[in-house]
Amino acid sequence: ELKVEQNPLFLSMQEGKNYTIYCNYSTTSDRLYWYRQDPGKSLESLFVLLSNGAVKQEGRLMASLDTKARLSTLHITAAVHDLSATYFCAVDSAGGTSYGKLTFGQGTILTVHP
Amino acid sequence: NAGVMQNPRHLVRRRGQEARLRCSPMKGHSHVYWYRQLPEEGLKFMVYLQKENIIDESGMPKERFSAEFPKEGPSILRIQQVVRGDSAAYFCASSPEAGDETQYFGPGTRLLVL
Repeated sequence: ELKVEQNPLFLSMQEGKNYTIYCNYSTTSDRLYWYRQDPGKSLESLFVLLSNGAVKQEGRLMASLDTKARLSTLHITAAVHDLSATYFCAVDSAGGTSYGKLTFGQGTILTVHP
Repeated sequence: NAGVMQNPRHLVRRRGQEARLRCSPMKGHSHVYWYRQLPEEGLKFMVYLQKENIIDESGMPKERFSAEFPKEGPSILRIQQVVRGDSAAYFCASSPEAGDETQYFGPGTRLLVL
């Protein structure tokens, strides 16, 4: 059974600081997704990483994928309050014929303080 | 292009009643996925459907739960004889093709069983 683990689960940051959220998964997959969820809201797609070594950046967020280590990172640069949310990574878990059955991590609750 | 639509957004049921949750995918999307999010947890895959076909229902409880995606109309997730443990947020996602595209999530239906 595919397991996806994120750490930390809770992250309290000061504005302006940098930090990284880690996402480890237990079986081979070359498709990894990062989503953001605000309280009581739906999930917003942030990044889709489709190959080993993929790196994508949007604003203060940068995501990378190492399929050999089964690890993805979400790096936050110079955090601002608007980034406060829960961040989920998800791995496509259908195996050789990936078809979008996503297994989610537990989520990382990020709070950015002034 | 309207996003994924779900209704109702909030649903209150008493134990033993039936809950019917509806999902209209984005225009042009023929793949629908249902996920359940229990309080303070990540999302768990329930079922993957294409028009008139259930592709994977491995995450669906064996009893009381069923899903369909008819040729015409929205996808329906049906929960019979609800129990308090069914209280959760139920999210629907859609994609145009399986695996190569990100999934776009609807706003969710928050079910409360009294």
